[in-house]
Amino acid sequence: QQQVKQSPQSLIVQKGGISIINCAYENTAFDYFPWYQQFPGKGPALLIAIRPDVSEKKEGRFTISFNKSAKQFSLHIMDSQPGDSATYFCAASMNTGFQKLVFGTGTRLLVSP
Amino acid sequence: NAGVTQTPKFQVLKTGQSMTLQCAQDMNHEYMSWYRQDPGMGLRLIHYSVGAGITDQGEVPNGYNVSRSTTEDFPLRLLSAAPSQTSVYFCASSHLTGGYGYTFGSGTRLTVV
Repeated sequence: QQQVKQSPQSLIVQKGGISIINCAYENTAFDYFPWYQQFPGKGPALLIAIRPDVSEKKEGRFTISFNKSAKQFSLHIMDSQPGDSATYFCAASMNTGFQKLVFGTGTRLLVSP
Repeated sequence: NAGVTQTPKFQVLKTGQSMTLQCAQDMNHEYMSWYRQDPGMGLRLIHYSVGAGITDQGEVPNGYNVSRSTTEDFPLRLLSAAPSQTSVYFCASSHLTGGYGYTFGSGTRLTVV
């Protein structure tokens, strides 16, 4: 059962452009939404995360936008660079006790020089 | 600080063979888990543990066994390898409280022929 749907599956962006990856969730009890970045041959690493009490969180060139009513959140990469080429996973979990993360299927981003 | 260490990095097995994938963390994390990553399917949870002596099944547990005798170690055993178990396996750990920032190992690429 896919609780977090991620799109697109792959994305090609020119250097300097904006990369946008979208995720939608079904469970309204989710209240923690992280994004992970994975380079080839490496494990995923936490990139940025948001809780639903804010609509946007920015860290450098990376921004999460969150729309609670639509049950959607997205990752924006401004001024995309070739070094951003990686696979990105969105995830979600509930904050009642400890709850496991549910991951999206991943987006492979290629930033062309 | 090593983080999460997985061994081996690569392994080729013949159908029917058994083996153990090792995972160790030095961050005193209570939660440890095993995922498999297959193209287009994201990260799927195999087994997880919330402390020594406590394990539970994830989304795709069949064909795999785990045990957790110490906080640091969480080995994954393949009982009788099948070609369908060809995948990249990741171990992840985190504290039970405080933001759920998973730390992933660098993965084990397993091929079953």
